[in-house]
Amino acid sequence: GENVEQHPSTLSVQEGDSAVIKCTYSDSASNYFPWYKQELGKRPQLIIDIRSNVGEKKDQRIAVTLNKTAKHFSLHITETQPEDSAVYFCAAHNAGNMLTFGGGTRLMVKP
Amino acid sequence: SAVISQKPSRDICQRGTSLTIQCQVDSQVTMMFWYRQQPGQSLTLIATANQGSEATYESGFVIDKFPISRPNLTFSTLTVSNMSPEDSSIYLCSVVSRGDTDTQYFGPGTRLTVL
Repeated sequence: GENVEQHPSTLSVQEGDSAVIKCTYSDSASNYFPWYKQELGKRPQLIIDIRSNVGEKKDQRIAVTLNKTAKHFSLHITETQPEDSAVYFCAAHNAGNMLTFGGGTRLMVKP
Repeated sequence: SAVISQKPSRDICQRGTSLTIQCQVDSQVTMMFWYRQQPGQSLTLIATANQGSEATYESGFVIDKFPISRPNLTFSTLTVSNMSPEDSSIYLCSVVSRGDTDTQYFGPGTRLTVL
């Protein structure tokens, strides 16, 4: 089955700096890669996603890149703000119509 | 996206008892899933809730422990049976809306504590 590795497990940045979270996946048939943000005590919220037919997608301060050959994808957050502090999960969607999640990254943005 | 609600939002239960969690969506959806999130951990898929038929369970999860129903396109239940403290987790349902192929949206979750 699919295996998704996520790094780092914790990330601390100063407000205004950039944050990068990286994920690798094992199943070359995976074709959809969403990112979720989970604030304490709340549900995971979809923040951006990318499909296997594109290499990069951007939405304001958030961007995701995908390297199908290397089977890795990354989340980039620029100009970080304290409200970006949360746990971020990457996931890979395979042909079996299931999501496999990475282990999560706890992002702390220091004011 | 669809509006998803879960009941109860939280509960504290005694070991050996069972709890049924409900997931209600405000529109018809194609797929519904149940996940478990243990404290400080990632999300693990328990099963896919199939409308009108038996759920499809992931490795490590069995129907006797986690019976699931999905009588229609907007509602599903997950029962946690014969609970032990190890079942203390957040249980989340997720859905894929009609017109979509794979994007999953999550319900607010049910926080279960087993004493």
